Amino acid sequence: AQTVTQSQPEMSVQEAETVTLSCTYDTSESDYYLFWYKQPPSRQMILVIRQEAYKQQNATENRFSVNFQKAAKSFSLKISDSQLGDAAMYFCAYSKWTGNQFYFGTGTSLTVIP
Amino acid sequence: DTGVSQNPRHKITKRGQNVTFRCDPISEHNRLYWYRQTLGQGPEFLTYFQNEAQLEKSRLLSDRFSAERPKGSFSTLEIQRTEQGDSAMYLCASSEGTGAEQYFGPGTRLTVT
Repeated sequence: AQTVTQSQPEMSVQEAETVTLSCTYDTSESDYYLFWYKQPPSRQMILVIRQEAYKQQNATENRFSVNFQKAAKSFSLKISDSQLGDAAMYFCAYSKWTGNQFYFGTGTSLTVIP
Repeated sequence: DTGVSQNPRHKITKRGQNVTFRCDPISEHNRLYWYRQTLGQGPEFLTYFQNEAQLEKSRLLSDRFSAERPKGSFSTLEIQRTEQGDSAMYLCASSEGTGAEQYFGPGTRLTVT
């Protein structure tokens, strides 16, 4: 069965600094998708970044980048130049290649300190 | 298009009652997902529709839960004989293809007293 583990329930970062959120997953599949979603307090979940497992190149979206280690089944999120608006719960998610099922981790609550 | 909408936003019900939630996805999205999220946890996958066909159903979804998407547009999630353990946020999401971004609705918060 697929599982997603986020071992950091809470993280904090100084404004303008860099922070890395960890995620590991378990799967026997070779093709799949990985995602990071952001859920601000009392607001809707939004996509931060996605990665196709067959791509070796790490995905980047502006200040957000991932370190995808397929053999280690690790998918960490790096946020550079942290901003106050980055404060939120961050969820790592796994999807089968078919997209029929999604599995989310338990989340990491990120605090940005001014 | 204003995104994924869910109604009602909040529902308080007594144990044993039936409740129904509605989700209106983004109009061109053929994929629709339902999740349940409890405090301090990530969303748990419940079920998935491609157009009107329910293609996946989690083992978490007991017989008291049923979902429909009759015309491949909006979807409903019904919980029969609610229990206190059903109290949670029920999230709906839609997407336009495999591996595509899921757009989430604001959720329906259910409280069973």
